[in-house]
Amino acid sequence: QSALTQPASVSGSPGQSITISCTGTSSDVGAYNYVSWYQQHPGKAPKLMIYDVTNRPSGVSNRFSGSKAGNTASLTISGLQAEDEADYFCTSITSSSALDWVFGGGTKLTVL
Amino acid sequence: QVQLVQSGAEVKKPGASVKVSCKASRYTFIGYYIHWVRQAPGQGLEWMGWTNPNNGDTNFAQKFQGRVTMTRDTSISTAYMELSRLRFDDTAVYFCARGGDSSGYYFDNWGQGTLVTVSS
Repeated sequence: QSALTQPASVSGSPGQSITISCTGTSSDVGAYNYVSWYQQHPGKAPKLMIYDVTNRPSGVSNRFSGSKAGNTASLTISGLQAEDEADYFCTSITSSSALDWVFGGGTKLTVL
Repeated sequence: QVQLVQSGAEVKKPGASVKVSCKASRYTFIGYYIHWVRQAPGQGLEWMGWTNPNNGDTNFAQKFQGRVTMTRDTSISTAYMELSRLRFDDTAVYFCARGGDSSGYYFDNWGQGTLVTVSS
């Protein structure tokens, strides 16, 4: 199955807000409220930031929020901080075959 | 807190097989699916499949069917992923990840990753 579509890069200054989009189809993002987002710093394992579109795990800053409209999910980071600089990946389950998962290609966030 | 500790780096020749382990601790191993995700150098994440430690059921991404096996040993809370007929483009970091405890459709804890290098 095809990967979900994310912008290759986004950037923002400290204190600003940015939004990363994740576009899929009616078989994945549009079909289920099971989009999740992961932060990955270089050489590290991914870290769960948002699950089931809008939920934030315990310990994740409330500066991170998620939403979805149609076939596109979004991750918003407010009050950008230097430590937010990382790669961000979205994923969704997909019904294109059995119950599988599909990832976005990833977005590099640069904090200017 | 939940821990997933993976086996060490491997170097394999094309055509060989590799088996990566993922030892779980600090939670009930049979209560959560284990997923495997890989990441080629400088690339994105790719979901490979899952195993249900409770009963051994598995589901694999179509791309890997016929080449991947996912098993578990509940006596030592360890999951395994074996990939056969390795190719150069299988060079990647392989992660195990636990299925989340709410809907289950996300990965709430990850292993540290295992680098598998396929080289002649």
